[in-house]
This record gives sequence, C-alpha cells and structure tokens, in this order.
Amino acid sequence: AQSVAQPEDQVNVAEGNPLTVKCTYSVSGNPYLFWYVQYPNRGLQFLLKYITGDNLVKGSYGFEAEFNKSQTSFHLKKPSALVSDSALYFCAVRDLSGGGADGLTFGKGTHLIIQP
Amino acid sequence: DARVTQTPRHKVTEMGQEVTMRCQPILGHNTVFWYRQTMMQGLELLAYFRNRAPLDDSGMPKDRFSAEMPDATLATLKIQPSEPRDSAVYFCASAAGHNTGELFFGEGSRLTVL
Repeated sequence: AQSVAQPEDQVNVAEGNPLTVKCTYSVSGNPYLFWYVQYPNRGLQFLLKYITGDNLVKGSYGFEAEFNKSQTSFHLKKPSALVSDSALYFCAVRDLSGGGADGLTFGKGTHLIIQP
Repeated sequence: DARVTQTPRHKVTEMGQEVTMRCQPILGHNTVFWYRQTMMQGLELLAYFRNRAPLDDSGMPKDRFSAEMPDATLATLKIQPSEPRDSAVYFCASAAGHNTGELFFGEGSRLTVL
C-alpha cells in the first residue's frame, strides 16, 4: 500500500520569505511523486512531478521540490513567497510497482498562508 | 482551452433521493477518475476507468454508488439512495494515455444531502 503524510495542517510565511511545505511518502517500490495546488472552490491543479532523474524538480509558478530517497521526502519549496501563493497544497504518490494501478494517493493537504 | 467539465456544480438534496453527477473529460484523455473530498477524509479515490472500462472501484461503497462511462465523452457517478454522510465535493479528473500521473481536475460537484 502507498501513503503520503503532510505533517503540517497549516504553514504561515511572510511575503518575500522562502517557504517549505513538507511531505513524506511510503511505497513498496519506486515512487512517482507529485504536488498539486487547490484554490478555494476550484479543482486541483498540477504543479510538478518527480519520476526519475534529477532530485530537484522545477514546476509552475516558481515552485520546486526536492526528492530525498533516504528520507522518503518530497518537500515543496519556493525561494520567495507571494500572497497569491496562499492555497491548499497536496502531495501525492503513485507506486510504480502497483501492478498497473493508476490512481494517485493524496496527502491530507497543507494550508499555505502568505502574510503581506 | 481544454478542461474537464463537471455538472452540477452544486446540488442540495434530501436523504433517500437519487443523485447523478456528470463529467466530460478532456478530449483524447482515456483515463477518468472520480475522487471525493471531505474535511475529515481528505481526497479519496472512488473509481477510475481506462478506455471506458472500469479498472478499480474498490474505494466506492458498492451498495449505493455506481460509476459508468456510457461513451468516451461522459462519465457518471450515481448515488442511490443518498445519505447525509455522502455530503462532499466530488471531483472528476482525466489523464492522457501515457498517464505519468498528471491529472486534470474538474471544478467539482458540491453535494449536500439533508
């Protein structure tokens, strides 16, 4: 079984400061890892993904994430936060050894609040 | 601008009534997912289809929920009879054939069962 943990329900960051949203995962094989963002009353939007290759992945809106296999983590980062980054962020995993199962398993989500 | 379209956006109904939610996936996407979002459980995968065939519906309560894809442009999720605990936002998402995991989500159908 695969699972994702987002240990923080909420992260508060001042505008202009760097931000980190944490994610750890558990899979039996090699993972596909994803970050999605959800704005109020909207569907989820894809931000970035890690499949193979460089451990640092760059995505939309200046976000990036670092895959760390030894710590089973995939934290989302941005060097300088904007008020417009305030939203609900989801980490997700898909187990490559899942025998063809395609559905992503999502974490509970982390509310990111950027204060002006 | 290709997008996943869901209807209705909002639905309020009484316990025991039938509810049908519809989804039009992005043209050319052959994998369709249904997710449910609640405050308590977060996002739960209910069912998904590839090339209109159901591949996994293990997350769906079988006694009252059913999911179908009558054709490639329409997916439906039906609840009969509905219960207050079904109140949630139901999301449809679609993905292209290679499916490296990038899902395109609709805006969701917010269901309230009284």
